[in-house]
Amino acid sequence: AQTVTQSQPEMSVQEAETVTLSCTYDTSESDYYLFWYKQPPSRQMILVIRQEAYKQQNATENRFSVNFQKAAKSFSLKISDSQLGDAAMYFCAYREVNNAGNMLTFGGGTRLMVKP
Amino acid sequence: KAGVTQTPRYLIKTRGQQVTLSCSPISGHRSVSWYQQTPGQGLQFLFEYFSETQRNKGNFPGRFSGRQFSNSRSEMNVSTLELGDSALYLCASSPGQGFSSGNTIYFGEGSWLTVV
Repeated sequence: AQTVTQSQPEMSVQEAETVTLSCTYDTSESDYYLFWYKQPPSRQMILVIRQEAYKQQNATENRFSVNFQKAAKSFSLKISDSQLGDAAMYFCAYREVNNAGNMLTFGGGTRLMVKP
Repeated sequence: KAGVTQTPRYLIKTRGQQVTLSCSPISGHRSVSWYQQTPGQGLQFLFEYFSETQRNKGNFPGRFSGRQFSNSRSEMNVSTLELGDSALYLCASSPGQGFSSGNTIYFGEGSWLTVV
């Protein structure tokens, strides 16, 4: 079974600084998708960024970028120019390609605090 | 366009009772998934429905069940409630079958269930 591990339960960053959240995963599949979701206090999960495993280029969405290391099974999220609104729980998630459905396997989450 | 709507948002039940939670997906979405979120176990996949058929199921006891109606609305039911069923139950919807860059999974704000 696939597993996703986030080794940092909590992280803090100064406003306007850069922070990197770590995620590792275990799978025997060669093709899959990886995601970072943000969960603010409202509890609604919001997609931050996605990465297709077959793509070597790291995904970028504005201030959010990933460092995808397929051989190391590592998928970290970098947040640049951190803003107070970035404070939230962040979850790394994995999805098989061959599964026709939308089943996600989540990591345990990292609570990000942003200091003004 | 309305988002994923979950009702009720908050409820308290007694051990041994049963509960039904409802999820209305985004208009036009045919896939609905359910997740349980607890502090101890994190986010765990319950099941997914597509066109009224369950196509994925997580590792939960048979007390957890669900269904999907012809209008894509979904309900999940938990019978013989236990204290450990206290959790946030998240519903997610997506447009259709399989995954593509356009097939984003959207989450609702969840239903908070407390079992006393």
